Amino acid sequence: AQSVTQLGSHVSVSEGALVLLRCNYSSSVPPYLFWYVQYPNQGLQLLLKYTSAATLVKGINGFEAEFKKSETSFHLTKPSAHMSDAAEYFCAVSSADLNDMRFGAGTRLTVKP
Amino acid sequence: ETGVTQSPTHLIKTRGQQVTLRCSSQSGHNTVSWYQQALGQGPQFIFQYYREEENGRGNFPPRFSGLQFPNYSSELNVNALELDDSALYLCASSTQGSEQFFGPGTRLTVL
Repeated sequence: AQSVTQLGSHVSVSEGALVLLRCNYSSSVPPYLFWYVQYPNQGLQLLLKYTSAATLVKGINGFEAEFKKSETSFHLTKPSAHMSDAAEYFCAVSSADLNDMRFGAGTRLTVKP
Repeated sequence: ETGVTQSPTHLIKTRGQQVTLRCSSQSGHNTVSWYQQALGQGPQFIFQYYREEENGRGNFPPRFSGLQFPNYSSELNVNALELDDSALYLCASSTQGSEQFFGPGTRLTVL
């Protein structure tokens, strides 16, 4: 069975500050890991994905995440927050077949001016 | 190239009724996955269809059923609606084993 846990349902940062959203996973098989963003009343947009290649993954909008097997973590970071980053962020895990994606509960990011 | 579309955008039903939600996949995609997202929660995997066959299922009862058509569009059917079925229903299309592209969702309210 696979699952992810997102630590912190709400994160608030100032504009220009570092963004760190935490995700820990559990998987009995080598995981594929994803970060998605959801803006109000919209579907999910893929930010980045880890599929067993490079452990540091760069995504869209300046986000990146590092796969750490020893810590079973896949935390999302961005060096400098922008107001437009305010949204809900979801971490997800899947097997390589991608037919069983499991999402975390989400972290709402607020960016203060 | 059109993206993933879902219809209707909003729907209100009463307990015990049946509902059908529709999803048109992105051009070139042969796989559709359905998710239920309750308010304030992450999406929960319902099932996936690949080439008109169910290809994986989450922990949902049999009253949640689906279809995929030869053009790879898909339907999600829910029978005997319960209040807890109120949620945003998301579909995502992909080619098998590749990135999923999500539609905007259908918001279902059960009264």
